[in-house]
Amino acid sequence: GQQLNQSPQSMFIQEGEDVSMNCTSSSIFNTWLWYKQEPGEGPVLLIALYKAGELTSNGRLTAQFGITRKDSFLNISASIPSDVGIYFCAGRDDKIIFGKGTRLHILP
Amino acid sequence: EPEVTQTPSHQVTQMGQEVILRCVPISNHLYFYWYRQILGQKVEFLVSFYNNEISEKSEIFDDQFSVERPDGSNFTLKIRSTKLEDSAMYFCASSETAGGPYNEQFFGPGTRLTVL
Repeated sequence: GQQLNQSPQSMFIQEGEDVSMNCTSSSIFNTWLWYKQEPGEGPVLLIALYKAGELTSNGRLTAQFGITRKDSFLNISASIPSDVGIYFCAGRDDKIIFGKGTRLHILP
Repeated sequence: EPEVTQTPSHQVTQMGQEVILRCVPISNHLYFYWYRQILGQKVEFLVSFYNNEISEKSEIFDDQFSVERPDGSNFTLKIRSTKLEDSAMYFCASSETAGGPYNEQFFGPGTRLTVL
């Protein structure tokens, strides 16, 4: 079946640092999504990517859809404490296939 | 801003009991979904529903599961005879259409199901 490999599994960074996380897929998706999940809540959509090579920003977040449609990265610039959470990449045709997530910890 | 709502937020049940998880999708959305997330794991697709029919279901969605849209606003997930391994967060999601760009799914806050 379709699988997404997300790395790293967890990150510990200092407040103010930039963050980068990656996702690769065993198959092509038409749409790539990045979600954030905080404890006890549902996934919240951060960025959606629709075109191969597309680079999209949402505030301090930047994501790119790989040319092959089988990979993506998410960057967070100048991290702040509220960035803490689990970041999931996901591929969507109709249903959404989620990666295993990157848990972001921010050290004071 | 319109949002997906789910009730209850937490359901505790005995193994073998039936549970019904309820969702109210965003009002103009036509496609509905259930996902689950076992503690510490990724979110997994269960089922999609459109026009009063299941569009697609995963291997997880076996005969113990069923979905229904009993009225114009609610979308329910029923587990007939719960097992310990059904303990998870269950997320409802909805979208205006399925597939294609710019028609993303919006997730509810989830129901935490605990089977004892």
